[in-house]
Amino acid sequence: EAGVTQSPTHLIKTRGQQVTLRCSPISGHTSVYWYQQALGLGLQFLLWYDEGEERNRGNFPPRFSGRQFPNYSSELNVNALELEDSALYLCASSTMQSPRKTQYFGPGTRLLVL
Amino acid sequence: AQKVTQAQTEISVVEKEDVTLDCVYETRDTTYYLFWYKQPPSGELVFLIRRNSFDEQNEISGRYSWNFQKSTSSFNFTITASQVVDSAVYFCALSEYSGGGADGLTFGKGTHLIIQP
Repeated sequence: EAGVTQSPTHLIKTRGQQVTLRCSPISGHTSVYWYQQALGLGLQFLLWYDEGEERNRGNFPPRFSGRQFPNYSSELNVNALELEDSALYLCASSTMQSPRKTQYFGPGTRLLVL
Repeated sequence: AQKVTQAQTEISVVEKEDVTLDCVYETRDTTYYLFWYKQPPSGELVFLIRRNSFDEQNEISGRYSWNFQKSTSSFNFTITASQVVDSAVYFCALSEYSGGGADGLTFGKGTHLIIQP
């Protein structure tokens, strides 16, 4: 069974640009989560999508947004990039079936903002 | 609000030693879930274990064991006979029950485990 996949693996952008990160969940998983792992800040919850709807978001500004498609894949969009957005962005998926609430993570996208 | 504390930022041991990683959590919910993840240098978080708040039974999986104690709000992780391949950053995480939903995880800062040959 394929795991969570993310693309691209690496990105370099300049301040002020916009970026889109992509995530495909494990087959059968309907929930997708996004996390940011910035140096010195640890792992922080960004967004949670389930069945196409945004269910919850962490303490991040509105320029962080996303969506979930009918096939449960998801995009994370970051507008007006700032230097501190440089981080590893991790996507995870889970199912409402048993075992619920276990999130399985993808390999991440490393974003560098110059 | 929930909080996870991993007081050990870095632990270095020699191969074959036993090592325990500490995790202390705070939550107001009576139903919650605790997790341990391993993050090797590649960056991907590898799921190790999930514990429900109503199940205090300790668990052993090979060289790994977990000690969950609600009385002290702790969920410690022990590696027996450590190996170089165990070197990684280990994260403890908490998820509160949100009425049928699966909420975002609150992570500790992580413990960097170094196993020296």
